[in-house]
Amino acid sequence: ELKVEQNPLFLSMQEGKNYTIYCNYSTTSDRLYWYRQDPGKSLESLFVLLSNGAVKQEGRLMASLDTKARLSTLHITAAVHDLSATYFCAGGGSYNTDKLIFGTGTRLQVFP
Amino acid sequence: GAVVSQHPSWVICKSGTSVKIECRSLDFQATTMFWYRQFPKQSLMLMATSNEGSKATYEQGVEKDKFLINHASLTLSTLTVTSAHPEDSSFYICSASKGRADTQYFGPGTRLTVL
Repeated sequence: ELKVEQNPLFLSMQEGKNYTIYCNYSTTSDRLYWYRQDPGKSLESLFVLLSNGAVKQEGRLMASLDTKARLSTLHITAAVHDLSATYFCAGGGSYNTDKLIFGTGTRLQVFP
Repeated sequence: GAVVSQHPSWVICKSGTSVKIECRSLDFQATTMFWYRQFPKQSLMLMATSNEGSKATYEQGVEKDKFLINHASLTLSTLTVTSAHPEDSSFYICSASKGRADTQYFGPGTRLTVL
C-alpha cells in the first residue's frame, strides 16, 4: 500500500530565504498533489503533478516530480510571512486508486 | 466552480449523542465523496469512500457502525457519528470528485467536540 513521507516536519525560516520540502512515496503513484492548510481551515489545492519530470510554479512555490526516485519537492523561493502554513503532499487520486494518501505534513513558519 | 460545503462548521455535543455532518457539492455532481479525519497537528486520515447509491467503503480500523455514511444523491453525503465520545473529537473534512481519478475538491471542514 502507498505510504507517503514528508520532511522536515517543521520548518522555521527567515523571510527572504529559500528552502525545499521533500515528499517520498513508497510505491508507484500516478499523481502527486500538494496542498496548503492554514490553522483551523481546510485544504487549499496548490499543485497536481501528473508525470515524471513535471514542474509547476505559482508565485514563490515550485513543485517537481521524479517518479523514478519516487520523490516530489516543493521549493520555496524568497519566503514571505504569508507562506506560513502547513503543507501536505498526497499520492494516489488516480485510476488505480482514487483515494489520496497524505504525507505527515510540514509546518512552515516564516519569521522576519 | 467546484465548490464543496459542509454543515455544520463546528458542533459541540454531549457524550453518547449522535451527530450528523453534511457534505454538499454545490455546483457539480459528485459521483464519489471521501471523508477524512484530522487530529490536531496531524495529517488527514481517510475514513471512507462513498459512491452515490452504494455502500461506503471503510478504511481499515474505522468502525462502520459508529461512523455511518450515506451518499443519498449526487450532491449530498452525510457522516453520522453515533454515540459520540470525547475521543471522537476531531476535524472532519469531506471531499468530492466528479468521477474516478478526478480532482478531489475539499470542503471547509467540521470541528466536532464531544464533552
